[in-house]
This record gives sequence, structure tokens and C-alpha cells, in this order.
Amino acid sequence: DTEVTQTPKHLVMGMTNKKSLKCEQHMGHRAMYWYKQKAKKPPELMFVYSYEKLSINESVPSRFSPECPNSSLLNLHLHALQPEDSALYLCASSQHSGGAPYNEQFFGPGTRLTVL
Amino acid sequence: ELKVEQNPLFLSMQEGKNYTIYCNYSTTSDRLYWYRQDPGKSLESLFVLLSNGAVKQEGRLMASLDTKARLSTLHITAAVHDLSATYFCAVDMGGNQFYFGTGTSLTVIP
Repeated sequence: DTEVTQTPKHLVMGMTNKKSLKCEQHMGHRAMYWYKQKAKKPPELMFVYSYEKLSINESVPSRFSPECPNSSLLNLHLHALQPEDSALYLCASSQHSGGAPYNEQFFGPGTRLTVL
Repeated sequence: ELKVEQNPLFLSMQEGKNYTIYCNYSTTSDRLYWYRQDPGKSLESLFVLLSNGAVKQEGRLMASLDTKARLSTLHITAAVHDLSATYFCAVDMGGNQFYFGTGTSLTVIP
């Protein structure tokens, strides 16, 4: 299995809702990532999990809360979002920078989030 | 802070023509990746470049890396409509951290 899956594909939520995005990979990768991408812009790194521990948090507002229950799963919990948080949220995984000669990231299909 | 710049940002080219996209980065790295993104879709890995002078080719696309010049190129040969997409380079700085370029939106016109 060489893919990263994400659910849901689309999500519409109000500013008072709580929702979660899910990501799964079965490639044995030990690093997993959340990115936010606005239209016509490059992906912006939000969080990195390395061996199930949060290793990078790019000063993301607390209304985004990541969770890594195990080495195959990555969640992003959303609460009290703002309309400007509407974007494509991408999950990625890689072997790990310390465990391979290179660290190619494989991306999931993304969740298109709209905050009303 | 590492900066990764691509040019051009927008490229409109006729089918059958050749063109090159440039990716410049501001600090030392010998690992660089190219990705393709179709509208509303995710990123698809195209090339992994791991050393100075690395050259990879797949179909009408060829990528190269010059680590001394901090420059990577993506050359398109005899463009076809199917190549229309946004292309991103990404510099690997280690520590599980990528820095993406600004992106080049390519449109191939019949």
C-alpha cells in the first residue's frame, strides 16, 4: 500500500462547530505532516509528528489541535475556526529524515474545508 | 530563513514548445524534490534529486540540481496539454522539514 488517505474529502462547518480531519498511511512511515494550502499558494507546514511525537508546530493557532494516536494515523481537531481558515488541508508522510537517505513526502488527496 | 523562489510564477506555452522552470533557494541543501499539482488535487511526486549534478528524466520532463548554484531546473520538452498544472519545488533541510517554492502555474495551449 503506497498511498495516504484522508477523510472527509469535503467539510463545511460553522464557526462554533467541532470537527476532525483524519489521515492514514500504511507505508511504515514514521513522520507525518499537516499542511494548509490556500488557492494558488504553496502548502504551508502546520505540524510534524516524528515517531508519534509532535516535533514541529509552526505557531499554529490553538483552534487547530493535532493528534497522532499511532504510527499510521494522524488527526487534526478543529474548533472555533474562522472563515479565513477555509483551505485545502493536506496530510503527508515520509520515512523520517534520520532513517533514510532522503525524505520524500507522500501526500494524501486533501480535505477541502469551508468555514461559514 | 530559507527562501525558495520559482520563476516564472505563471507560464503559458504552446504545444510542442520547450521551456524551463527555475527553482532558486537561499541556503545549502543537496536534496530537492519536484511535485505536480492539478487544480483542486493533491501533490504528486515527480522527481527526487539527491546530489549535485543529479539529473532525472520522465517523459517530457527533465529535472536537474546544481547545489553550488543553489538552483534546480525543470525542463519541458515538446509540451502537451496534459502537462498543464502547477509545479512546486521543495528543498529538504533535514529534520523532516520541507520548504516549498512559490509554484509555477503552467498552461499549455493547443
